[in-house]
Amino acid sequence: ETGVTQSPTHLIKTRGQQVTLRCSSQSGHNTVSWYQQALGQGPQFIFQYYREEENGRGNFPPRFSGLQFPNYSSELNVNALELDDSALYLCASRPEGGSVHEQYFGPGTRLTVT
Amino acid sequence: SQKIEQNSEALNIQEGKTATLTCNYTNYSPAYLQWYRQDPGRGPVFLLLIRENEKEKRKERLKVTFDTTLKQSLFHITASQPADSATYLCALDGTGFQKLVFGTGTRLLVSP
Repeated sequence: ETGVTQSPTHLIKTRGQQVTLRCSSQSGHNTVSWYQQALGQGPQFIFQYYREEENGRGNFPPRFSGLQFPNYSSELNVNALELDDSALYLCASRPEGGSVHEQYFGPGTRLTVT
Repeated sequence: SQKIEQNSEALNIQEGKTATLTCNYTNYSPAYLQWYRQDPGRGPVFLLLIRENEKEKRKERLKVTFDTTLKQSLFHITASQPADSATYLCALDGTGFQKLVFGTGTRLLVSP
């Protein structure tokens, strides 16, 4: 177990709706990254937060946004859902001062957009 | 364009044999390369990291090689077991040190 939890486990939404996914990291893990993993593909980097500020973003539109809270939890929000947003969404956390290989992934949230 | 390629076909081997998985990349100059294991419905689990100045890294039954001239990493599992059946992902540092770029993964099936 990595100590990273995500909720919900599964979610079904309709195109055009909005969704919020949640992640809870271990104490002391100040960096959290979010990834999107489509079926049969590797995870794709969405963005990263460090101490509640976004400090890196992948090739995703602004309707993907996030928040990080002081209690080591974070959120991924997606507005105006599209069918292609159907994927496994993973969060990964890293301790303060940890090297990048110390990323601990959660089990993911499976989002289905119909 | 930048690419990370792993064999998309599943690799089927018999228990006890050595599994070898390949990761090739194009138009990247990674400082390091990582390998992860992913089981169905679970997040990736970190296995090994190898830096650009290292040729080989070992951990128990796992061995990783990194050839920056060929732009290739090989991942070996010796004395494979059915419990090793999973998808194996390679990842390298993309733009910015903190960002990981993953390959598509190769599914390994070890039969008894």
